[in-house]
Amino acid sequence: GNSVTQMEGPVTLSEEAFLTINCTYTATGYPSLFWYVQYPGEGLQLLLKATKADDKGSNKGFEATYRKETTSFHLEKGSVQVSDSAVYFCAYNYGGSQGNLIFGKGTKLSVKP
Amino acid sequence: NAGVTQTPKFQVLKTGQSMTLQCAQDMNHEYMSWYRQDPGMGLRLIHYSVGAGITDQGEVPNGYNVSRSTTEDFPLRLLSAAPSQTSVYFCASSQGLGNSPLHFGNGTRLTVT
Repeated sequence: GNSVTQMEGPVTLSEEAFLTINCTYTATGYPSLFWYVQYPGEGLQLLLKATKADDKGSNKGFEATYRKETTSFHLEKGSVQVSDSAVYFCAYNYGGSQGNLIFGKGTKLSVKP
Repeated sequence: NAGVTQTPKFQVLKTGQSMTLQCAQDMNHEYMSWYRQDPGMGLRLIHYSVGAGITDQGEVPNGYNVSRSTTEDFPLRLLSAAPSQTSVYFCASSQGLGNSPLHFGNGTRLTVT
């Protein structure tokens, strides 16, 4: 069935370290792919997205590339900051015009000064 | 610019009580949805709506009802609360197209004792 698998956390890094959070999906066709971020006590907010194969989404120093051949959408950042501490969710759209998203279970990131 | 507004922020219920979680959006979005977020489970879709007068079930609809009488509002009703419904509930909206991001409210933390 349709699913999203992302690396389990928590992930703890020192400030300025390199971040990778892996995400793979199981879906037919060409879904749109998303990364959402949830800061403590808040709802999810869109971080970046990619809508077709080989697209690269980017925002706030984060990047992710839509890899159709490996059905992956790994999130990367070259130098994390304390303010990046949050929970990150990978998701994809499977419903075409319906707008429904399938979410991964989330990866908690803690960045230490 | 309010976006998606959820009320209340916190609620405690006794088993068997009923209540309604409110959700309103001011972006004229056709698509609205309700998710629940549980530790280790990510976000799971409860119900969704693609427009006024139209609703459908998501992954975990049992014990919840919804209606969509206007474009702006999408309330979630718990008919007879159970401890298994203790969770954080998020309402979201989007334009409803496959590559449209979801806009989330800040959530309602519900505890059922």
